[in-house]
Amino acid sequence: DTAVSQTPKYLVTQMGNDKSIKCEQNLGHDTMYWYKQDSKKFLKIMFSYNNKELIINETVPNRFSPKSPDKAHLNLHINSLELGDSAVYFCASSQVLDGLGYTFGSGTRLTVV
Amino acid sequence: SQQGEEDPQALSIQEGENATMNCSYKTSINNLQWYRQNSGRGLVHLILIRSNEREKHSGRLRVTLDTSKKSSSLLITASRAADTASYFCATVPRPAAGNKLTFGGGTRVLVKP
Repeated sequence: DTAVSQTPKYLVTQMGNDKSIKCEQNLGHDTMYWYKQDSKKFLKIMFSYNNKELIINETVPNRFSPKSPDKAHLNLHINSLELGDSAVYFCASSQVLDGLGYTFGSGTRLTVV
Repeated sequence: SQQGEEDPQALSIQEGENATMNCSYKTSINNLQWYRQNSGRGLVHLILIRSNEREKHSGRLRVTLDTSKKSSSLLITASRAADTASYFCATVPRPAAGNKLTFGGGTRVLVKP
């Protein structure tokens, strides 16, 4: 069973569209995250949720809105997609609120055309 | 700017040789972690070293941490072709900022058979 699964794996869409990426973890972890990896492979945190509560919200445009219906799910909705949003988005989870051993999903490659 | 910076950016070695990569960071840390990313895949947690530890081993991996120099190294001994991947260091700051992991830019390692 996949520990952290995110869908879709690939997403190609036009500028201006709205899209969502879903993430689910079956590890029983309390904390979930969204990270963005750009074309140069730099990874940067976007959001962190602990037990459905928003903990971290980095400087991310308001077009990005995370939603955590329960602690096993953290979805990412993006409005009015722009070319610069093209990247690989990774969902991750961890056991406790101190950064031990993140488990990452396999990523969603978003291409905005 | 990146909290962690890996050196070298790329490394090419023959199978059986050792691979060493370094990571420098800027702020006080709670712990430092190393991750591996195979091409087109998510990140896999390799090893975590806490700020009060100086060295840690896991199989063919050896990690050192020098908090006075704000640096860490990852040594992979007796490398195999399957070790070909990008390796990232990541830090959890002290005090922990909501469990955020800050990643370096990664070292791309190519192990030639």
